[in-house]
Order: sequence, then structure tokens, then C-alpha cells
Amino acid sequence: DAMVIQNPRYQVTQFGKPVTLSCSQTLNHNVMYWYQQKSSQAPKLLFHYYDKDFNNEADTPDNFQSRRPNTSFCFLDIRSPGLGDAAMYLCATSRRDRRQDTQYFGPGTRLTVL
Amino acid sequence: QKEVEQDPGPLSVPEGAIVSLNCTYSNSAFQYFMWYRQYSRKGPELLMYTYSSGNKEDGRFTAQVDKSSKYISLFIRDSQPSDSATYLCAMSSTSGTYKYIFGTGTRLKVLA
Repeated sequence: DAMVIQNPRYQVTQFGKPVTLSCSQTLNHNVMYWYQQKSSQAPKLLFHYYDKDFNNEADTPDNFQSRRPNTSFCFLDIRSPGLGDAAMYLCATSRRDRRQDTQYFGPGTRLTVL
Repeated sequence: QKEVEQDPGPLSVPEGAIVSLNCTYSNSAFQYFMWYRQYSRKGPELLMYTYSSGNKEDGRFTAQVDKSSKYISLFIRDSQPSDSATYLCAMSSTSGTYKYIFGTGTRLKVLA
């Protein structure tokens, strides 16, 4: 089945220790998104790629970076995680051409910062 | 004012009840409307997707869009305990941004 895959599902890191979360998709969608979601809150968009064009949200901290080496893969790098970065990180994809398709989410990576 | 407003609940209903979940929005450019179900500690799962106005039905779920009132609804018939989750509405416009705006989610509990 076509899908959005995130690895790892659970990540534990230490305060200040860099971490990379990965996302892959078999949907061949041209847009990929990273969201941060904290408990009982809506997903908060961090950035998205339209093909190779990177779009950063104005309030996304510099501590968060992303890479999209090809259509299928996207990475979220947190350079120096703080306690406030503990959250669920969701990757999503959509297809945008003449119309915008809906958005499909991966299962998420739950990040714990010790 | 937020672009998308959604009552956070929690909403508790008995098994078998009809559930009505709602979102209002302010941006008249929104054309794509989605409902997601999210179980605790899981990613959102797409339930319903509607383009522009009208109704869409899928099994026990019906999505309605009223663009004149800027109001969308999700109805769940014959609700089951397994429907207990958080329901997120999301919407997007046809203009250039490719971004989806989410409501804060309504937490639903269906009591057996």
C-alpha cells in the first residue's frame, strides 16, 4: 500500500544532542510537510517542501532544519534539542498540481528530551 | 480571531448516538476541507475530504460544507466506543501556499 513512513517511531535524546527524524513516502507526492504536535494541540507547521523549494514558517526556530534529498525522502534535523522540543513530530504529504489533493500523515515520531 | 475555530470538547456521548462535530472558519478562499481522526499518541488518519460545498457520505460518516456560513460539520451515526478519539478539521485554499490550517481538535468519548 502507498503510504507515509516515519522512523524511528520513538526517539529519546539528551538535552542539546542533535537528532534526525526521517520520513519517506511511496505516494509520489510533490509536497512534504513537517509538523510539531504537543499534547491536546493542533499540529503546528514547521516547514514544507514543494518539490525542492523549501518554505520555512516565520516562527519556526533556527534550531529546526530540514532536507529533502529526493522526492521520496525528507529529514527533520533538530540541532540542539531543548526540553520544550519534546513533542510528536508528524510528516505529511500532498499532491499539488492544478488542484490540491488532500494531505496524508505518517504515524509520527514521539521525541523525548532528557 | 483564529482562521479556524473548533470546540475542543471533550464531548461524551452514549454508544449509538449521532455525533455532530463542527468547525467555523473566516477565510472565504478555503476550498478543500478535511476531517482527520487521531487516536492518542498516533498520527492523524484521513476520514473525509470535500472539495468546495456540499455533502459527502462514507459509511457512518457524513461531511457537510456550508461555504455561505463558513461552517463545516462531521456527523457520525451509530457511534461506537472505537470512535473515541480527537477529530481535527483542516482546510486549504486554491491560492499558492499549499498549507493546511487545522482546528485545535475535538476530543470525543463514546461510552459503552
